[in-house]
Amino acid sequence: TQLLEQSPQFLSIQEGENLTVYCNSSSVFSSLQWYRQEPGEGPVLLVTVVTGGEVKKLKRLTFQFGDARKDSSLHITAAQPGDTGLYLCAGADAGTYKYIFGTGTRLKVLA
Amino acid sequence: ETGVTQTPRHLVMGMTNKKSLKCEQHLGHNAMYWYKQSAKKPLELMFVYSLEERVENNSVPSRFSPECPNSSHLFLHLHTLQPEDSALYLCASSQAQGSAADTQYFGPGTRLTVL
Repeated sequence: TQLLEQSPQFLSIQEGENLTVYCNSSSVFSSLQWYRQEPGEGPVLLVTVVTGGEVKKLKRLTFQFGDARKDSSLHITAAQPGDTGLYLCAGADAGTYKYIFGTGTRLKVLA
Repeated sequence: ETGVTQTPRHLVMGMTNKKSLKCEQHLGHNAMYWYKQSAKKPLELMFVYSLEERVENNSVPSRFSPECPNSSHLFLHLHTLQPEDSALYLCASSQAQGSAADTQYFGPGTRLTVL
C-alpha cells in the first residue's frame, strides 16, 4: 500500500519565519502535487512537479521533487498569516496515475 | 471559486435516513471524483467517473451509492450510514482521468454528521 507521510503534522510559527514541510514515501511517483486547504473549503492546487530533482518557485514558496521521485519538500520564506492552512501533498501512482494524498501538515502563522 | 459547487454544505442525518449529496462542475471537464476527508486520515478516494462511466470504486461500502447522470453532475446517495461515516465529503473534477499531470479542482465539500 502506497503511503505518503508528511512532517511535521502541526506547525505554529511567527510571521516572518521560514519553514519547510516534507512529504516522504517509499514508492516512486510519476508526478507530485501540493495543495493548500483553508477551513470550509476544498484543497486548491499550488504546484505540480513531474521531473526528479525539479524545483519550482511560486512567490515565497519553493517546491522540490526528490531525485528518485519518492519525496518532496515545500519551503516557505517569510511566512505570513495568509499562509495558514492545511498543506497536502499528493503523488500520482506511476501505473494508474491515481493520486494518493499525504497525511497533511497543518500550518498556523501568527501575526 | 473553483468552478465546482457542492450542496448542501452541511448535513446532519440519522442512521436510518436517506440523503443525497450533489456536485456540479462548470469547467467542461470529463472526469469527476468523490473523496472522503476524515480528521485523522489522509484524503481517501472513493469513486471516479470518466465520461459518465464509473472507472473506480475503492472498496466503498454499499451504503454509499454514486450516480453520474451527465459529465457536469455527480451525486452521492447515502442510506443507513454509521457515525464513523461523519466526515467532509469532497467532490473534484479534472479534464481527463489517467493523466500524470492532470489538475483536479475541488469543491468546498459537504460536512456530514451522522448521529
